[in-house]
Amino acid sequence: DTAVSQTPKYLVTQMGNDKSIKCEQNLGHDTMYWYKQDSKKFLKIMFSYNNKELIINETVPNRFSPKSPDKAHLNLHINSLELGDSAVYFCASSQLLAGPETQYFGPGTRLLVL
Amino acid sequence: SQQGEEDPQALSIQEGENATMNCSYKTSINNLQWYRQNSGRGLVHLILIRSNEREKHSGRLRVTLDTSKKSSSLLITASRAADTASYFCATATYSTLTFGKGTMLLVSP
Repeated sequence: DTAVSQTPKYLVTQMGNDKSIKCEQNLGHDTMYWYKQDSKKFLKIMFSYNNKELIINETVPNRFSPKSPDKAHLNLHINSLELGDSAVYFCASSQLLAGPETQYFGPGTRLLVL
Repeated sequence: SQQGEEDPQALSIQEGENATMNCSYKTSINNLQWYRQNSGRGLVHLILIRSNEREKHSGRLRVTLDTSKKSSSLLITASRAADTASYFCATATYSTLTFGKGTMLLVSP
């Protein structure tokens, strides 16, 4: 059984479009994350939700809006896509004790904006 | 600003050799984690070491943590071609896990 799943795996779209990426975890974790990995493989935190509440919102354009309908799901909606949004987006989940514990990553969504 | 910095950026060795990667960071941490990423795949957790621990082992992996120097090292012993991947350290503070840029390891048969 997949622990953290993301859909779609690949996303090719035109500039200006709106798209969503879905993430689900079946590990019972209370914290979920979205990361962006650029072409140089640098992995940067975008958002973190703990028990459906936003706890981290890094410097991300407000075109990106996360939504957590429940603890097991964290979706990412992107409005007015730009060329610079092309990247791999990873969802992850973990328990949050004194700090983030082991993170379990999804397979990634490869977004290409044309 | 970036917390963890791996060194070297790239490492090329022969099968059977040991590979050592280093990670330096700037602020106090709760724990430090190492991850592996195979090309085109997600990150896989390798090992977590807490701030009050100095060394940890898992199979062929050995991780050390020196909080006074704010540095960690990952040693892979008797490397295999299948160890070829990018390796990332990540430092955990209260609510955030911050990743370094990674070390690309190439193990040649």
